[in-house]
Amino acid sequence: GQNIDQPTEMTATEGAIVQINCTYQTSGFNGLFWYQQHAGEAPTFLSYNVLDGLEEKGRFSSFLSRSKGYSYLLLKELQMKDSASYLCAVEDSNYQLIWGAGTKLIIKP
Amino acid sequence: NAGVTQTPKFRILKIGQSMTLQCAQDMNHNYMYWYRQDPGMGLKLIYYSVGAGITDKGEVPNGYNVSRSTTEDFPLRLELAAPSQTSVYFCASSYLGQGQPQHFGDGTRLSIL
Repeated sequence: GQNIDQPTEMTATEGAIVQINCTYQTSGFNGLFWYQQHAGEAPTFLSYNVLDGLEEKGRFSSFLSRSKGYSYLLLKELQMKDSASYLCAVEDSNYQLIWGAGTKLIIKP
Repeated sequence: NAGVTQTPKFRILKIGQSMTLQCAQDMNHNYMYWYRQDPGMGLKLIYYSVGAGITDKGEVPNGYNVSRSTTEDFPLRLELAAPSQTSVYFCASSYLGQGQPQHFGDGTRLSIL
C-alpha cells in the first residue's frame, strides 16, 4: 500500500528552528516534494528532492534518505508568516503525487 | 501572470443538483489534475489528463466526470451532488516529466446541502 506520515501539528517560536518530518512507504519513488499551504489558500511549491542529502534554499532546507523512506523540512529563523500547513508528497513511478495529510505549523511570538 | 484559474470560488448546491467547476491554465502545461481536500486530510486525486483528449481516473473518481478538449481547459463535472462531495476542490497543472512541480489554482469551496 501507499502511506505517507507527517505529524498533525507542531508549535514553534518566532526566530527559532523547526524540523517537520515525513516518512513514506510507496510502491514507486521518483522524488519527494514539499509544499506550503496557508489557511484558505492553494498549496505552493517549496522543494523537490530525488537524491539523498540536504537541499538548501534560503531559510528552508529539505533532506531525503531514500533507504530509510524519510524526509524532513527544516525552517530556520521562523517568522510569523511561516504559520501554515506543510505538505509532503511522493512522486510515484507514474509521476503522480501521493500526498501526506500535512503538518500544521503554529508560530508563537 | 494568471497561472491556473478556477471558477467559481464558492458554491452551495442542493442534493441532486449538477454543476461544472471550471479550470484554465495559461502556462502551456501538458498535465492537468483535479484534487479534493477534506479537513485534516491530504489531497486526493480525482481525475487527471496528460493532454488534450486524454483523461484518466485518479484515486476517488466516483461521482465526477472530466473532459479535456483543449490544452488550456479542464472542467470537472458533478452530475448528482451528494453531501459526501462537500469539499475544497483544487485544479493543478504541470509540465511532463519527473520532478515537475504542480501549480495550483485558488480552489473552489463547495457545499452540498
